[in-house]
Amino acid sequence: EVQLVESGGGLVKPGGSLRLSCAASRFTFNNAWMSWVRQAPGKGLEWIGRIKSKTEGGATDYAAPVKGRFTISRDDSKTTLYLQMNSLKTEDTAVYFCTTERLGGHDSWGQGTLVLVSS
Amino acid sequence: SYDLTQPPSVSVSPGQTASITCSGDKLGDKYACWYQQKPGQSPVLVIYQDTKRPSGIPERFSGSNSGNTATLTISGTQAMDEADYYCQAWDSITVVFGGGTKLTVL
Repeated sequence: EVQLVESGGGLVKPGGSLRLSCAASRFTFNNAWMSWVRQAPGKGLEWIGRIKSKTEGGATDYAAPVKGRFTISRDDSKTTLYLQMNSLKTEDTAVYFCTTERLGGHDSWGQGTLVLVSS
Repeated sequence: SYDLTQPPSVSVSPGQTASITCSGDKLGDKYACWYQQKPGQSPVLVIYQDTKRPSGIPERFSGSNSGNTATLTISGTQAMDEADYYCQAWDSITVVFGGGTKLTVL
């Protein structure tokens, strides 16, 4: 069974930075498209962005609210996905999920890590 | 930007059929998928490519997509199906989620 374990969440001040990690196992990570999805407290799901596999160029795509502030990267040798978040705003407060984007959907999800942006 | 609209809530009696809709402009021309999320848990993919069920998802879950509306249907709804349900589609390269529907089984 696919395992995705996010880490790196915590409390950060507005304008600050944070890097999330997602350790992946039990599937062929280097062939997978990987995404980040977030969920603000009591709210719905919001896609943040994705990174394609290196064999498909490793291109990244981002949602408008985070473009230019967030960067997704991957280290296939460590089977780890990253989300670098800069210039954080209070509205970025959410649980951040790492997902695999296969099967025509987000077929596996981590347990999520909470990011709280507050002064 | 592309929007997907879901009813905020749907109620169903145990054993009956629940239908949750998701509306978007020409949604039937895109693939839709559906997620189930129970309180305190991560979402689970229950339908992908409009009608397909991932391994392990019960047969009572089915999907359709035509025109401007995708529909998730749960036949013989059980108490364990009470959850939030989200539809999702792609607008070009970006992923779009609906606002979610709270399914109550009472």
